[in-house]
Amino acid sequence: TQLLEQSPQFLSIQEGENLTVYCNSSSVFSSLQWYRQEPGEGPVLLVTVVTGGEVKKLKRLTFQFGDARKDSSLHITAAQTGDTGLYLCAGRKAGTSYGKLTFGQGTILTVHP
Amino acid sequence: ETGVTQSPTHLIKTRGQQVTLRCSSQSGHNTVSWYQQALGQGPQFIFQYYREEENGRGNFPPRFSGLQFPNYSSELNVNALELDDSALYLCASSLAEGTTDTQYFGPGTRLTVL
Repeated sequence: TQLLEQSPQFLSIQEGENLTVYCNSSSVFSSLQWYRQEPGEGPVLLVTVVTGGEVKKLKRLTFQFGDARKDSSLHITAAQTGDTGLYLCAGRKAGTSYGKLTFGQGTILTVHP
Repeated sequence: ETGVTQSPTHLIKTRGQQVTLRCSSQSGHNTVSWYQQALGQGPQFIFQYYREEENGRGNFPPRFSGLQFPNYSSELNVNALELDDSALYLCASSLAEGTTDTQYFGPGTRLTVL
């Protein structure tokens, strides 16, 4: 059973469309991170959220941490072809050590011109 | 400031063999974590080293072992390779302090077991 469930697993959209990726769990996380991974590369950190209800914006990307710190979402406005990639959510469960991140299975986003 | 590097980039081994993967942490980082990422999946935590001591382990058998050196570079060793060990192996370094840590991932080593 996946501790962090990401949905959808695959997303294929046209340039200019909006999209939302969800990351859900029954466990509480002390922090949650979103990464983007390109083929042949390691994940690159986009954002870290630590407070329940927190909303962070990074240009066209909006990240939200659920009030109970069990879920998160990533919303992209006006997607561009450069947004194509694998998006991963990862959380650190409350009480665990630094660095022990639990990852979701990822969402493969393809943005068509 | 140099980033996280890993070697080799790709590796092909046969079942039963042993393999050593290497990671050079980002300058100043004292913590390294290793992850296994199967094709189409998110990374799975293998273990973490903090100041040369193992500091947490995921659900991996003892044939997965590691080392962290005084210069904070690290090795992942896998004995008795199995076909299911084929994956991308990622290391991530961080500076453990405060309440959050940012992990910087290397590009990974793609291991294929035949």
